[in-house]
Amino acid sequence: KAGVTQTPRYLIKTRGQQVTLSCSPISGHRSVSWYQQTPGQGLQFLFEYFSETQRNKGNFPGRFSGRQFSNSRSEMNVSTLELGDSALYLCASSPGTSGSGYNEQFFGPGTRLTVL
Amino acid sequence: AQSVTQLDSQVPVFEEAPVELRCNYSSSVSVYLFWYVQYPNQGLQLLLKYLSGSTLVKGINGFEAEFNKSQTSFHLRKPSVHISDTAEYFCAAYSSGSARQLTFGSGTQLTVLP
Repeated sequence: KAGVTQTPRYLIKTRGQQVTLSCSPISGHRSVSWYQQTPGQGLQFLFEYFSETQRNKGNFPGRFSGRQFSNSRSEMNVSTLELGDSALYLCASSPGTSGSGYNEQFFGPGTRLTVL
Repeated sequence: AQSVTQLDSQVPVFEEAPVELRCNYSSSVSVYLFWYVQYPNQGLQLLLKYLSGSTLVKGINGFEAEFNKSQTSFHLRKPSVHISDTAEYFCAAYSSGSARQLTFGSGTQLTVLP
């Protein structure tokens, strides 16, 4: 099976712009989670989507949003970019279940966003 | 709230020496524990996981970890490291329950010296 793919791999934007990142999960996986990785804050959970619904959300401002399509592909959007949004954004897919049990997460290579 | 602490931010070690990367977690509910490795400009790769059962967990690339509930620790070990093990290592915890997310430690940069 192909792994998790993220596009683009690198992105440069300026303050105030908006950006959309894309994630294609492993075939058959229904859950997609997004994480932000920065040197200062480390790896932080943004949100999780399962069957086109946001199932869980981290502690990020409303400028960060996401969605999931019927084919399980997911996008995240950041509006009104700030310098502090510069980070590696990682997407992880998992089979996903309707319960609270554990599902192993498989990570993509990430999108490196630089805000100037 | 779930938290994960990695006690060492940097660990330098000579090639073929043993290494231990330390991780402590806090949780009031059942927890699953993981170690991930990240090479430069790459995503996270799962090294090993503890879900239940035997407290000694073996993973890929010769790594192993021991779950210690009384000390709330999940330290990662390798008896003999190679140059190729140089990378950043993250300990993570996942709580069963409604908060379905991985909580990561701050990471440990392992540098293997020739």
